[in-house]
Amino acid sequence: QQQVKQSPQSLIVQKGGISIINCAYENTAFDYFPWYQQFPGKGPALLIAIRPDVSEKKEGRFTISFNKSAKQFSLHIMDSQPGDSATYFCAASRRNTDKLIFGTGTRLQVFP
Amino acid sequence: DADVTQTPRNRITKTGKRIMLECSQTKGHDRMYWYRQDPGLGLRLIYYSFDVKDINKGEISDGYSVSRQAQAKFSLSLESAIPNQTALYFCATSDLPGPRGETQYFGPGTRLLVL
Repeated sequence: QQQVKQSPQSLIVQKGGISIINCAYENTAFDYFPWYQQFPGKGPALLIAIRPDVSEKKEGRFTISFNKSAKQFSLHIMDSQPGDSATYFCAASRRNTDKLIFGTGTRLQVFP
Repeated sequence: DADVTQTPRNRITKTGKRIMLECSQTKGHDRMYWYRQDPGLGLRLIYYSFDVKDINKGEISDGYSVSRQAQAKFSLSLESAIPNQTALYFCATSDLPGPRGETQYFGPGTRLLVL
């Protein structure tokens, strides 16, 4: 079963635009929601993460919005740049437990 | 990526062959993981280990086995490779999850082709 559903599978955005990637989860015990960024030929790397006690977290141009009642969270990339072109994975886990559950990934392409 | 290394980076093998993918880390982490990545399926956990004496199956362990030779080394074996095991394989490590959650550090991946 897929516990974290991610959409869209691919996304094309013009430079300067806003990129939005959405994830939904099923397990209400999840309380840690990271986003990983993967460039071609590289392994994924942590980009930004949020805990459910806040509704939004911002780091530079990257923002996570979290809706606990809807069991959804999303990544917003403001002023998208060609260097942001990568695959993005959302994930979820329970605090102080074992493993991350990853979404299926979104391939983002930002064109000049 | 330099803290987590994987060998080989690319491998072509034939159906029925046994192969081993190796992972080493210098981060001093106790927890290590093996994932496979397939287009449209994301990252799926194969096996994970929380210390040298601990091995756990992930969601897709059939056809795979692992060995934790030391804190720093975690190997993945395909007992008898089949074409649908063609994928990109990643090793990852993490420290004990803290109040902010767990960060996993991934290696550069091994691209495996089974003919």
